[in-house]
Amino acid sequence: DTGVSQDPRHKITKRGQNVTFRCDPISEHNRLYWYRQTLGQGPEFLTYFQNEAQLEKSRLLSDRFSAERPKGSFSTLEIQRTEQGDSAMYLCASGGEQYFGPGTRLTVT
Amino acid sequence: GQNIDQPTEMTATEGAIVQINCTYQTSGFNGLFWYQQHAGEAPTFLSYNVLDGLEEKGRFSSFLSRSKGYSYLLLKELQMKDSASYLCAAYTGGFKTIFGAGTRLFVKA
Repeated sequence: DTGVSQDPRHKITKRGQNVTFRCDPISEHNRLYWYRQTLGQGPEFLTYFQNEAQLEKSRLLSDRFSAERPKGSFSTLEIQRTEQGDSAMYLCASGGEQYFGPGTRLTVT
Repeated sequence: GQNIDQPTEMTATEGAIVQINCTYQTSGFNGLFWYQQHAGEAPTFLSYNVLDGLEEKGRFSSFLSRSKGYSYLLLKELQMKDSASYLCAAYTGGFKTIFGAGTRLFVKA
């Protein structure tokens, strides 16, 4: 499979715990995006990487959210001290046309 | 501010043509995406318009007017499998993509 992959597909965690998600983009894609989507809404932009450089990020990433793409290939998104409001689908996309991965569904109990 | 507006829901008949409109106001604009999203799945890329005018791809066409901040997605020869949400998204200056809430299209027999 040469598409975008994300791991895990589902994550259930207790409030206050930290979680980390992984995204593997299409191999030749330099651009990588993270989004968050809740029911009935469109994806909400979180951050953008060009290779290993994080060039754009929403204000959400200045607090409990952080993202990395250390070698310009896969990327990780970490949420610290999770809250119930963090429950959502976390989507990764790669390439100029932004091909999306299947997402990681996070449930915070 | 940044704003993307599209109708919440539309209903159309199998075999018919439907037009889904989108207006946008963003600080900076590079192009306009359309995605299809079936329930519980990730968005799938449909089109990306940079220049004014109509672009056709099989049964789907997308139009952009940069001066009016307006786009539409045209779906011809509707099929039941076209029942999905259609997301309009503006690619702004600075690598950020702003999504609308999506238009839920119901195709009836």
